Amino acid sequence: QQQVRQSPQSLTVWEGGTTVLTCSYEDSTFNYFPWYQQFPGEGPALLISILSVSDKKEDGRFTTFFNKREKKLSLHIIDSQPGDSATYFCAAEMQQGTGSKLSFGKGAKLTVSP
Amino acid sequence: EAGVTQSPRYAVLQEGQAVSFWCDPISGHDTLYWYQQPRDQGPQLLVYFRDEAVIDNSQLPSDRFSAVRPKGTNSTLKIQSAKQGDTATYLCASSFRDRADTQYFGPGTRLLVL
Repeated sequence: QQQVRQSPQSLTVWEGGTTVLTCSYEDSTFNYFPWYQQFPGEGPALLISILSVSDKKEDGRFTTFFNKREKKLSLHIIDSQPGDSATYFCAAEMQQGTGSKLSFGKGAKLTVSP
Repeated sequence: EAGVTQSPRYAVLQEGQAVSFWCDPISGHDTLYWYQQPRDQGPQLLVYFRDEAVIDNSQLPSDRFSAVRPKGTNSTLKIQSAKQGDTATYLCASSFRDRADTQYFGPGTRLLVL
């Protein structure tokens, strides 16, 4: 069962443009939502994250928005650069008993064309 | 500070063969995760440890997969009698006290089962 759904699966934007990636989830107990960036041959790296008590977090060219009512989040990349070409995953943290774990979306492959 | 290290980086097997993957987490990280990432999919948690104890192995195919972390530091994931459906990248990650915001991934081991 896919707990975190991500769209689109792939997209291409021009250099300097704005990239928008979206995710949705069902479980209202999710409380922490990280976005990971993965380059070919590497493991995912934490890019930016947001807690469910916030609706926006910004880090340079990257901004993540969270809508608790609609159970949706998004990642915006302004002034997209060819070096941003990678696969982006949204994830959600769920508390379970004595621990917690992340549930990942299927990913979105971004290509930024010069 | 050294990141999460994994070996080998690549493995090619025939169906029915066994393989082991090794992970060295970030120093001081008490929590260690093993994920399976099929091609064009997000990471899917197989098992995670806090120190030497298994916290969640509900997604680990127990008939052929096993994972240990005997001293609460390094860990080994083993597949007995591999199947073509096991073809994926196996990622190790570590964190401090289950905190997802401190979770770092290794580069992964790419497994191809012929």
